[in-house]
Amino acid sequence: KAGVTQTPRYLIKTRGQQVTLSCSPISGHRSVSWYQQTPGQGLQFLFEYFSETQRNKGNFPGRFSGRQFSNSRSEMNVSTLELGDSALYLCASSLSGGWNTGELFFGEGSRLTVL
Amino acid sequence: AQTVTQSQPEMSVQEAETVTLSCTYDTSESDYYLFWYKQPPSRQMILVIRQEAYKQQNATENRFSVNFQKAAKSFSLKISDSQLGDAAMYFCAYKMGETSYDKVIFGPGTSLSVIP
Repeated sequence: KAGVTQTPRYLIKTRGQQVTLSCSPISGHRSVSWYQQTPGQGLQFLFEYFSETQRNKGNFPGRFSGRQFSNSRSEMNVSTLELGDSALYLCASSLSGGWNTGELFFGEGSRLTVL
Repeated sequence: AQTVTQSQPEMSVQEAETVTLSCTYDTSESDYYLFWYKQPPSRQMILVIRQEAYKQQNATENRFSVNFQKAAKSFSLKISDSQLGDAAMYFCAYKMGETSYDKVIFGPGTSLSVIP
């Protein structure tokens, strides 16, 4: 069974640009969550999607947005990039629902560098 | 708001020895999950062990075990017979029960080094 796939793995952008990151969850997983990981702030929750609906959102500015498609694949977008957006962006999928064990399955992440 | 604290930014252990990583959390909920995740250098994060708050028995997975003290809101991870492959960042994490969907709160992490 294929794991969580994130693309691109590495990217470099300049301030003011926008970026779109993609995440394909494990087959059968309908919940996709996004996290930002930085050395200073650790892992911070961005948002979670289930069946194309955003169910939960962290404390990030509106420049951070996401969506989920009918095949459960998800994208997140960051507009007007700032230097502080440089981070490893992690996507995680899970089964969700009454049988949910709570376990998240993570991708390898997309490392964004903003110059 | 729920918070997760890991007071040990870095730890080291001799190969084959035992090490305990500390974690405390704050919540007013009674139904929740606790996790330890491992993130090896440049590799993806994986689940090490999971504990449901309603279970009094401490979870165990091979060389990994937890000491769950619900009243004290403490959730430590013990790694026995440490191996070189155990070197990684370890994150303690909290998730409310079913109604919270998949918002998991992570602690700041503990970097574990294993000395040959």
